[in-house]
Order: sequence, then structure tokens, then C-alpha cells
Amino acid sequence: AQKITQTQPGMFVQEKEAVTLDCTYDTSDPSYGLFWYKQPSSGEMIFLIYQGSYDQQNATEGRYSLNFQKARKSANLVISASQLGDSAMYFCAMNGGATNKLIFGTGTLLAVQP
Amino acid sequence: DGGITQSPKYLFRKEGQNVTLSCEQNLNHDAMYWYRQDPGQGLRLIYYSQIVNDFQKGDIAEGYSVSREKKESFPLTVTSAQKNPTAFYLCASSIDSGYGNQETQYFGPGTRLLVL
Repeated sequence: AQKITQTQPGMFVQEKEAVTLDCTYDTSDPSYGLFWYKQPSSGEMIFLIYQGSYDQQNATEGRYSLNFQKARKSANLVISASQLGDSAMYFCAMNGGATNKLIFGTGTLLAVQP
Repeated sequence: DGGITQSPKYLFRKEGQNVTLSCEQNLNHDAMYWYRQDPGQGLRLIYYSQIVNDFQKGDIAEGYSVSREKKESFPLTVTSAQKNPTAFYLCASSIDSGYGNQETQYFGPGTRLLVL
């Protein structure tokens, strides 16, 4: 069975600094996808970044990058130059196998301080 | 303007009552999903549909029902059999290219269901 673990319930970061949100996963599927979503207080889940299990390079999307270490089964999200608007819950998720079912972690609450 | 809409934003249910949550998408996506989120938790899959007139149970389908009569619409009914329905419900959609692990799911704004 697939599993996502996010061990940081909450984190603080100073504005303009970089922050890393941890995510480890477990799966027996050789082919899978890893995703990060942002959930602000409004509740909507906003897609941030995707990493495929066969991708050789780490994914990047603007200020977001995914530090993919396949042997360690980790997929940490790095946010560079944090902004006040980055304050939100962040969820790591994965899928795999024949369907697109997503398995989510419990999330990390990020607070950006001015 | 393409996207996913959910209505209502807030929904109140009385004991023993069935209620239906609406989810509509104009992204021309094949697959649609319903998730439940409890406070302080991640999302859990209730039902999903990869094609019209077909759907499959997710991890927590008991007490819920769905239909998929149109590609654009995937309503969720919370039945009286669901004993603890108070939660935040999110609908999502994705393309279905046949390469399941490459398909990003995009979410609607959600519906908060409260039991009176």
C-alpha cells in the first residue's frame, strides 16, 4: 500500500528566506507521481509542482522546487524567497498503479513572518 | 474561464436527511473525484469516475453515492447512512491519458457540510 508521511506539523520562516517542507513516501509501484498542493485558509487545493518517478531531474516551477531523492524515498518541497502569501497548509501526495488515485499526507502548516 | 465549480459553499444537514453536493467542470477532463477532508487531516478519496456512466469506490465510500451522467458533472450524495458527515468536501478532475501517474488533479473550492 502507498503511504505519504509529513513529519512537520508546522513551520515558521522569515520573509525572503528559503524553506524546505519534508515528505517521505512508500510504494511498491515502480511508476508513480509525486505532487505538492497548497491549501490557503479559503480551503481550495492549489497544485504547485509534479515529479514523476522516472524523471532524472528535480522539478521546478518558479519559486518552487522539488528535491527528489528516489533511493531515500523523499520528495521535499523547497520554497525560495518566501512571501507572506505563502502562509498556508502544504500537502504532499502521490499516485501510482493503474489509476490516478491520490494518497495525501497530513500536511505542514507554514507561517511566513515579516 | 475554465475551472471547477462546487456548490453550495456551505451546506447544513439534519439528522436522517440526504443531501447532494454539486461539482461541475468545463475543463473537458475525463476523470473526476470526490475527497473528504477532516480538520487537521489530509484528503481521503470517496469515489472517482474515469468515464461517463462508470465510477468506482474509493477508500471511504460507505454512506455516500455518486452518479456520472454527463462528462461535466459528478454530484455526490451524502446519505443518512453516513453517521459522521461533518467535513470539508473537495471535488477534483483530471485528464485520463492512460498514464495515470502523470495526470495532475485540479480541485474546486470545496463545500463545507455541517450536521445540525
